[in-house]
Amino acid sequence: SQTIHQWPATLVQPVGSPLSLECTVEGTSNPNLYWYRQAAGRGLQLLFYSVGIGQISSEVPQNLSASRPQDRQFILSSKKLLLSDSGFYLCAWRDPALHFGNGTRLTVT
Amino acid sequence: GIQVEQSPPDLILQEGANSTLRCNFSDSVNNLQWFHQNPWGQLINLFYIPSGTKQNGRLSATTVATERYSLLYISSSQTTDSGVYFCGGGSGGYQKVTFGTGTKLQVIP
Repeated sequence: SQTIHQWPATLVQPVGSPLSLECTVEGTSNPNLYWYRQAAGRGLQLLFYSVGIGQISSEVPQNLSASRPQDRQFILSSKKLLLSDSGFYLCAWRDPALHFGNGTRLTVT
Repeated sequence: GIQVEQSPPDLILQEGANSTLRCNFSDSVNNLQWFHQNPWGQLINLFYIPSGTKQNGRLSATTVATERYSLLYISSSQTTDSGVYFCGGGSGGYQKVTFGTGTKLQVIP
């Protein structure tokens, strides 16, 4: 069966520091992959999606970037974090239903 | 892009009561889903329901695609049903899913 892994589960980073969140999917090949962000008490905002290795589409211009170096690996990055980057980051894949990982709770201080 | 409206935004139920949550879309969608976000932030896929009716235990969902809405029914509510319920949907080649702002449900004993 397919599983999706995200790490770390929680992260506290100072303003201006870099960020790297990793997501991997097992049990499927060439999945569509997504990064969503949920601000406190808010809905889910689509940040990036990818339909294949090296293919990234951005939904919201911001301080973040995404990469897909391998078929089942999706990475969310930032060179310099802002306070407004705090939130709950969720990776997902489709089959065609959307399936989410357990998320990373990021606090920028 | 597609706009998703959920109602009610907040709901308090006595344990054992029934409820109906609604999701309206501004345009046609072909990949509608309902999710439950538990207190730990996990998003659990309840239904993938582009059209028609599905049931899973005490939960059921109905999507009327031609009228661009979906309903989630919770019967005989339990305290474990508490959390936030999201609906999401989209269209297009990459099947991006746009979410509503959720219905926060609290079931009290």
